[in-house]
Amino acid sequence: AQSVTQLDSHVSVSEGTPVLLRCNYSSSYSPSLFWYVQHPNKGLQLLLKYTSAATLVKGINGFEAEFKKSETSFHLTKPSAHMSDAAEYFCVVTRRNAGNMLTFGGGTRLMVKP
Amino acid sequence: ETGVTQSPTHLIKTRGQQVTLRCSSQSGHNTVSWYQQALGQGPQFIFQYYREEENGRGNFPPRFSGLQFPNYSSELNVNALELDDSALYLCASSPGLAGDSTDTQYFGPGTRLTVL
Repeated sequence: AQSVTQLDSHVSVSEGTPVLLRCNYSSSYSPSLFWYVQHPNKGLQLLLKYTSAATLVKGINGFEAEFKKSETSFHLTKPSAHMSDAAEYFCVVTRRNAGNMLTFGGGTRLMVKP
Repeated sequence: ETGVTQSPTHLIKTRGQQVTLRCSSQSGHNTVSWYQQALGQGPQFIFQYYREEENGRGNFPPRFSGLQFPNYSSELNVNALELDDSALYLCASSPGLAGDSTDTQYFGPGTRLTVL
C-alpha cells in the first residue's frame, strides 16, 4: 500500500520569495515520486520525478525536490516565486518497477502575491 | 501541450444515465490510464490499459469500464450514473512498458462531467 500526504492545502508567498511545498509519503516498497502542477483549465504537467538516481532532483521552471528516505519526505522548493507559479501542485507516489498507477496527494494551492 | 486530447470538454447527464468519455493518446503510447478528480481533491486512479488489455484497476465499481483501441484512442464508460460521479475525468498516456514506474505519464485536459 502507498499514500501521500501534502501537509499544506494552501500556501501563500510573495513574488520573489522562496517556495516550499511539503510532501510526506508512505510506501511498502521502494517508491518513485513525482510532482505535478495543474493550472486552471489545463492538464497536469510533470515538474520533476525521482526514480532512485540522485536524491536531489531538478525539474522545470526552477523547481527542485529532495528525496529523504529517513524522513519519508519529498518536499518541493523554488528559490524565487513568480506570478506564473500560482497553481495547484500534486505530490505523487508509485511503486517502483511494479506499475505506474499513480497515487496522488490532496494537492497544495500555491498563491503568489505581487 | 502533451499531445493528449479528450472529448467532450464538458458534459451534463442525469442520474441513471450512461456516459462515454474519449481520449486520444500520443502516437506510439501503448499505455493509457484514467483518473477521477473530484472538486478540491487529487486525482484517483480508475484503471489502466496496456495494448488493449486492462492492466490494473483502482477502487472503482464495475460500472466503470474501459476500452483501448489499436489507433491509440480509448474510452471510459460509466453506467448507472450517480451524483457522486460528478468530477473531472483525466486520461494519461505513456510510451513505455506497462509497469515501468519511471515512465512519464502525459495528461489530457480532462472532461468535466456533471450528474444532475
